[in-house]
Amino acid sequence: KNEVEQSPQNLTAQEGEFITINCSYSVGISALHWLQQHPGGGIVSLFMLSSGKKKHGRLIATINIQEKHSSLHITASHPRDSAVYICAVLNNNDMRFGAGTRLTVKP
Amino acid sequence: SQTIHQWPATLVQPVGSPLSLECTVEGTSNPNLYWYRQAAGRGLQLLFYSVGIGQISSEVPQNLSASRPQDRQFILSSKKLLLSDSGFYLCAWSVSQPDTQYFGPGTRLTVL
Repeated sequence: KNEVEQSPQNLTAQEGEFITINCSYSVGISALHWLQQHPGGGIVSLFMLSSGKKKHGRLIATINIQEKHSSLHITASHPRDSAVYICAVLNNNDMRFGAGTRLTVKP
Repeated sequence: SQTIHQWPATLVQPVGSPLSLECTVEGTSNPNLYWYRQAAGRGLQLLFYSVGIGQISSEVPQNLSASRPQDRQFILSSKKLLLSDSGFYLCAWSVSQPDTQYFGPGTRLTVL
């Protein structure tokens, strides 16, 4: 079993739909990152969480430390949100990554 | 503002040849620096991280090495490339740990 599990692996949505991507982890962490990787490979850090909830524009990330679970939500999804979303957990300088969720938003 | 540079953007090298990928950060001092690899069809993997000049920690045994000759310069090297070294290499920096990591544009390496 991987230390970081993401679901779903692939997700196709229609423009405007509410998107949820889940991340579960089995190790102790000091923080959790949500990353967005564009088709060309470039990676952008969306959020870093150690507790609670963060919001940036149409993106919301939550984390439940007790349940070792985090979710990334996208409201009013748009085709430009199409990308691979990666969950990464951090313990000191040791970072472990989920396999990623490939999101395709159709117009 | 801070920026991170990586070069080259793409590289095609024969098996057995040496490798040197460079990463530099501007606009910050004493950053934590990281090298990641994403092999085809696989997730990201942390290769090395550095908390200061000359301080390198390796996450996985491999054919690669890293060096930090200057505060804002991080170099990934190999003496002899293997086919399995092909992948997308990303450099990242952070102010401290834990902290948001900022990624460079990446280098796509193909070993033939």
